[in-house]
Parts: sequence; C-alpha cells; structure tokens
Amino acid sequence: KAGVTQTPRYLIKTRGQQVTLSCSPISGHRSVSWYQQTPGQGLQFLFEYFSETQRNKGNFPGRFSGRQFSNSRSEMNVSTLELGDSALYLCASSPIAGVSYNEQFFGPGTRLTVL
Amino acid sequence: TQLLEQSPQFLSIQEGENLTVYCNSSSVFSSLQWYRQEPGEGPVLLVTVVTGGEVKKLKRLTFQFGDARKDSSLHITAAQPGDTGLYLCAGVFAGQNFVFGPGTRLSVLP
Repeated sequence: KAGVTQTPRYLIKTRGQQVTLSCSPISGHRSVSWYQQTPGQGLQFLFEYFSETQRNKGNFPGRFSGRQFSNSRSEMNVSTLELGDSALYLCASSPIAGVSYNEQFFGPGTRLTVL
Repeated sequence: TQLLEQSPQFLSIQEGENLTVYCNSSSVFSSLQWYRQEPGEGPVLLVTVVTGGEVKKLKRLTFQFGDARKDSSLHITAAQPGDTGLYLCAGVFAGQNFVFGPGTRLSVLP
C-alpha cells in the first residue's frame, strides 16, 4: 500500500506570494491533518479534514487555509507569505477521525523557504 | 493551551549504552504516542499508549505510560546507530487534536 505523498517536496517563494501544497493520503484513509514544523516551535497542528469538512483548526492566522476533495486528497494554501512561514509542512492521514488513539501516517513533508 | 515537555533535549551516546527519554505534561492525556523522525522524512509512529501504567515493548524499546496519564518514558536498551533520530511524543487531551512535544534529538555513535 502506497504511503502518504506530498508535492512538491521543496519550494522557494518570496514574501507576499501565495503557495499551495498538496497531500494524497493512504488509500482508504479519510482524515488528513496538516502540521507546520520549525526548529523553534516544533510540530504545530494546523487543521484536520475529514470527509471534505474541517474538523479541527490550530492557532494559526487566516492566511493558512485548506480543503479536502471527495477523493480525500487535501491541499493547504498560505497567502501573503512571510519570512516566518519558512518551515517543513507535514501532512498526516488516518483511517478515521475523532478517536484519541488514532494512528497518523505522515508524509515526507514539503520544505517551504520564503525569501 | 496544553504543553508537552520532553527531556533531555539532546542526547549523544555510544553504541551499546542504554537511555531513557521523558515526556511530561501538567494535564491528563487521553492517549499518547511516540514517533521517531529522521532527517528529510516525516515522523513514523512507534507506539500508542492509552491506559495509565501501561507498558509496551517494541524490540529494544520499552514505552511506559504514567499511572496518572500525565507522563511517559521511552527506554532504549543497547542503543544502535540506527536508533539515531528525533524522538517526539504527541498527546491527545480530552478529544482535542494532537499536541507534540519539542522532541529529544538522539545521536548514537558507533
């Protein structure tokens, strides 16, 4: 069974631009979560989608948004990029949502650099 | 906001040594997970613990969940260079999303 895939793997943007990252979950998984990982803040939860609906949202500004399609693939968008948005963006898929012992399977991440 | 603390932050040991890393919170977890992350990769789930006092073993790795479900430890016996990586704990609090600790960066030297 193929794992979680994320595209692109690396991205360089300049301040003020916007970016869209893509995540394809493991086949059959309906829950997709997004995380931002930085050396200073560690892994921080952005949002979770299940059946095309946002279930949970972390403490990030409205510039960060996401969506999920009917095939469970998900995209996240960051508008008006800031230098501090440089990070590794990780996507994780789970078979179901709303269970505290959910197993999350992470993709390799997208490394975003904002210049 | 619930916070997870991990200690030590960095650990460098020789192959064959034993080690323990810790994960603590002031709040009660519904469940707790341990992950290992290698450079350029996403975290990989090692174990999930749910019940207070629970002990799980995965080859040379032993995971323990505190009785009060506020802390957890990961013990590695006879560490090998392949154990090198960032060890992350992640807790779920009362039905909320996962909260990750800052991680322990382990280096096992041959």
